[in-house]
Amino acid sequence: EDKVVQSPLSLVVHEGDTVTLNCSYEVTNFRSLLWYKQEKKAPTFLFMLTSSGIEKKSGRLSSILDKKELFSILNITATQTGDSAIYLCAVVYNQGGKLIFGQGTELSVKP
Amino acid sequence: NAGVMQNPRHLVRRRGQEARLRCSPMKGHSHVYWYRQLPEEGLKFMVYLQKENIIDESGMPKERFSAEFPKEGPSILRIQQVVRGDSAAYFCASSPGHLDNSPLHFGNGTRLTVT
Repeated sequence: EDKVVQSPLSLVVHEGDTVTLNCSYEVTNFRSLLWYKQEKKAPTFLFMLTSSGIEKKSGRLSSILDKKELFSILNITATQTGDSAIYLCAVVYNQGGKLIFGQGTELSVKP
Repeated sequence: NAGVMQNPRHLVRRRGQEARLRCSPMKGHSHVYWYRQLPEEGLKFMVYLQKENIIDESGMPKERFSAEFPKEGPSILRIQQVVRGDSAAYFCASSPGHLDNSPLHFGNGTRLTVT
């Protein structure tokens, strides 16, 4: 069965901490992996990863993919309260027509 | 450039009524996806459409649910004879082409409550 599993499911940290969110997958014919941030409304796109070992970076956020071990991590350094959200990992697979999501990691950053 | 537009934002229906959810993709996007998010769960794929074609409906319940994306106008997700278990957030997403090359962009969702 195709699946995407995220861990931890929830995380509480204090401002300034660094966090690492995990995403592992088992799918048929992997194409790419995406990270989204979901606050109250629509998930907003963060990163798209297709190649192993190449870090994508945007400000305090970075992500990397390991296609051999079938996982990705999302790092957030110097966290701020505005980083509080649900972080969703999703995988495009099977001729690119399907996108399957993990359960999400709920991050709460305390002042 | 407006994003993916969904309406209504909130929809309340009594059991047995019909719910119609609308989605206008981003300008230039011809691929539309519908996802459902139940409380405490992740986004679950429902259906993938291109103009006038259903490409993949493997995530749609077998009964009461249908989707269309006509040549003109928004994509519609229709739920007939709603039940309490249909209460969820329904998200529409669009992309300009194949997901190999372009990420999905999501609308703000329609929150359906069945009473």
